[in-house]
Amino acid sequence: NAGVMQNPRHLVRRRGQEARLRCSPMKGHSHVYWYRQLPEEGLKFMVYLQKENIIDESGMPKERFSAEFPKEGPSILRIQQVVRGDSAAYFCASSPGGDSYNSPLHFGNGTRLTVT
Amino acid sequence: GQNIDQPTEMTATEGAIVQINCTYQTSGFNGLFWYQQHAGEAPTFLSYNVLDGLEEKGRFSSFLSRSKGYSYLLLKELQMKDSASYLCAGPGGGNKLTFGTGTQLKVEL
Repeated sequence: NAGVMQNPRHLVRRRGQEARLRCSPMKGHSHVYWYRQLPEEGLKFMVYLQKENIIDESGMPKERFSAEFPKEGPSILRIQQVVRGDSAAYFCASSPGGDSYNSPLHFGNGTRLTVT
Repeated sequence: GQNIDQPTEMTATEGAIVQINCTYQTSGFNGLFWYQQHAGEAPTFLSYNVLDGLEEKGRFSSFLSRSKGYSYLLLKELQMKDSASYLCAGPGGGNKLTFGTGTQLKVEL
């Protein structure tokens, strides 16, 4: 049973380019969460999605960032016009139920974005 | 809302016991999680406490006191591979988890 799959593992973009990060949840999980981790900092919640719906995007910057979880295919976190401050590790997690605090989140290995 | 505090780093000796503390302020508490994260890897689930008391799971145990807003992770018979960051996490409102900044544990010979 494959775990949460994220790709790419490493992504390098120049300032102004777009970054697309992909996440396939664990089999049987329909709830996806995206977190960002800066060096020496904790995981910061960005967005929570179910299939075709954004449930909570309170942690997502209002500009340049968007997320989707289509009916078919992986969840996508999209960052437009990247800046150096976007450099971070982006982790995706999935769960079978909607309450992340009642069932453990399963994390992918993350995508390390470097903006040059 | 919730604030989670834990020490930034700790050092311990192989074979010893170490306790990593976590304090939190929360409304609508629904349990406290501990995750382990090795450098460059995914956080992995260690434990979940929703009731007061100690939960033991092999070499790792986790304790919770809801009235004191306090939890700890206890690691026994430390091994070099236990060197990692240990993240305390609790409900951040709604369905998201709020993580502490993590405690970087270094196990030495």
